[in-house]
Amino acid sequence: EAQVTQNPRYLITVTGKKLTVTCSQNMNHEYMSWYRQDPGLGLRQIYYSMNVEVTDKGDVPEGYKVSRKEKRNFPLILESPSPNQTSLYFCASQQGSGGNQPQHFGDGTRLSIL
Amino acid sequence: GDSVTQMEGPVTLSEEAFLTINCTYTATGYPSLFWYVQYPGEGLQLLLKATKADDKGSNKGFEATYRKETTSFHLEKGSVQVSDSAVYFCALSGPGTSYGKLTFGQGTILTVHP
Repeated sequence: EAQVTQNPRYLITVTGKKLTVTCSQNMNHEYMSWYRQDPGLGLRQIYYSMNVEVTDKGDVPEGYKVSRKEKRNFPLILESPSPNQTSLYFCASQQGSGGNQPQHFGDGTRLSIL
Repeated sequence: GDSVTQMEGPVTLSEEAFLTINCTYTATGYPSLFWYVQYPGEGLQLLLKATKADDKGSNKGFEATYRKETTSFHLEKGSVQVSDSAVYFCALSGPGTSYGKLTFGQGTILTVHP
């Protein structure tokens, strides 16, 4: 089954404690992206990757890092989490990078930073 | 920059009622337009899309027509069901966007009562 898998689904942690949210897709997609979802704001892009070792900032990259060492994986790293990063996070992948291609989303990771 | 505006929610309807969720956009050129749906506890799923003016996207009884003259992509369904209760997101991918970035509206919560 084609899917995007995120882990963990839920995490409560404290300010400053480094965390990583993993994302893996089994569709051999070149393009992957991270979004955060906040009430009233929709989804906003954090980082994206067009292929292995190619990453770039989205609209709200501050406080986040990513890496793309393998085509299937695109982890999101919070080096020193802060309460304003409490949010619902989604990973997505897409075949190619064209604007008319749909994106496939994971089920989300709800982070609470205390 | 690109932007998407959705009608304010939440929207509450009785089963078999007619649904319209308004969506307007601002973008240069001819973006691709999408509706995504998010069921409780799940990630976003593509509902329908349209990639050029006057195209009509349709799926599961939902329809939306790409109106360039009014920069709109309103979602409609003739008879909603309880199972349609979800959050609906309008999104665009701009023509100048070579990396497939999606710009989302704020989302509209739909609740359908029996």
